[in-house]
Amino acid sequence: EPEVTQTPSHQVTQMGQEVILRCVPISNHLYFYWYRQILGQKVEFLVSFYNNEISEKSEIFDDQFSVERPDGSNFTLKIRSTKLEDSAMYFCASRGATEAFFGQGTRLTVV
Amino acid sequence: AQSVTQPDIHITVSEGASLELRCNYSYGATPYLFWYVQSPGQGLQLLLKYFSGDTLVQGIKGFEAEFKRSQSSFNLRKPSVHWSDAAEYFCAVGPSGGYNKLIFGAGTRLAVHP
Repeated sequence: EPEVTQTPSHQVTQMGQEVILRCVPISNHLYFYWYRQILGQKVEFLVSFYNNEISEKSEIFDDQFSVERPDGSNFTLKIRSTKLEDSAMYFCASRGATEAFFGQGTRLTVV
Repeated sequence: AQSVTQPDIHITVSEGASLELRCNYSYGATPYLFWYVQSPGQGLQLLLKYFSGDTLVQGIKGFEAEFKRSQSSFNLRKPSVHWSDAAEYFCAVGPSGGYNKLIFGAGTRLAVHP
């Protein structure tokens, strides 16, 4: 069964450093998303991406965040200068005709 | 405003007992409805979904959910809970088309007593 793959599964970074979280969506899907879940809290939408551009973003997705699909298969989330409050589980999702499929997540810890 | 409410933060049931997790939503149009399960340290696994048609939908692991438009609810049920069902359960709503985001509830953490 096709699946969404995320790497790494866990990343520890120092405050102020840049991180790139990587995702390989399901190959024939057209819509891509990043969500995050701060420990113990609900899953929150960050950004959606369609046709090689951002289609919607939340208030959380400020100038420190960016997304791109550099090579037609990977879908990346970059955080330019991490803050302690960016520590969370980040989920990538891709959607075909109907439902979204989620990856296993990347746990980002900012120290 | 679009929102999903899961009124129960924690639920504890005995193994073999029945289970119902509540979900209410507020959404402008007719949404697509989903239940996801998250085991500790794991990602989100789709349990079941409702798009249209029969309001009682069957999912994986013996779960089912019933869509009640008049109550704006999509409650998840299982007739007999297994210890392996202990996890966090999220209800989510999304648009019936297009690229729009899913809106998640806060989740219900299920504990199962032997």
